[in-house]
Amino acid sequence: AQTVTQSQPEMSVQEAETVTLSCTYDTSESNYYLFWYKQPPSRQMILVIRQEAYKQQNATENRFSVNFQKAAKSFSLKISDSQLGDTAMYFCAFMTPNTGNQFYFGTGTSLTVIP
Amino acid sequence: GAGVSQTPSNKVTEKGKYVELRCDPISGHTALYWYRQSLGQGPEFLIYFQGTGAADDSGLPNDRFFAVRPEGSVSTLKIQRTERGDSAVYLCASSPSSGKADTEAFFGQGTRLTVV
Repeated sequence: AQTVTQSQPEMSVQEAETVTLSCTYDTSESNYYLFWYKQPPSRQMILVIRQEAYKQQNATENRFSVNFQKAAKSFSLKISDSQLGDTAMYFCAFMTPNTGNQFYFGTGTSLTVIP
Repeated sequence: GAGVSQTPSNKVTEKGKYVELRCDPISGHTALYWYRQSLGQGPEFLIYFQGTGAADDSGLPNDRFFAVRPEGSVSTLKIQRTERGDSAVYLCASSPSSGKADTEAFFGQGTRLTVV
């Protein structure tokens, strides 16, 4: 079974500061992908960043970067220079082609950026 | 439109009624997913279509739930004899391919279903 765990239900950060959101996962698969999605109040899930498990180099997208620790099955998201528009729910997700390409999501972290 | 479109945006129905939720994926996307997101939870997988066929329906909770995609584009999620526990946001996502490294699922804004 595939599981995704986000242990921080809520977090806050001052504008322009850096924050790290935690995620761990469990799987026996060797071929998989990891994602961070942002869900603002509009409800639409927006892809923030993606990591292929076979790549050792951590993915980065502008102010967003991940710390992918494959052996520890950890996939944290770092947001640098936080902006008010970053306020949203953040979901960590896992997908493997071997289980029908469905996404497994964590329970989310509600991030508030404080002006 | 350019994105995944879901209608209606909100639906209130009485317990025991039948409802249909519609998803219009991005043109050309062959993969389509339905998820259910209960309050305070992450989305949970319901069903996955590759083209017209349901490639994986293991997430459908019971036989009151059914989904179709007859022409490989628009999909309809159908819920019979609705129960209050069915209240949730139903999310649809589409993807241009499946299992490839550049796969990304594009989500709609969801339909908030409230069963009273």
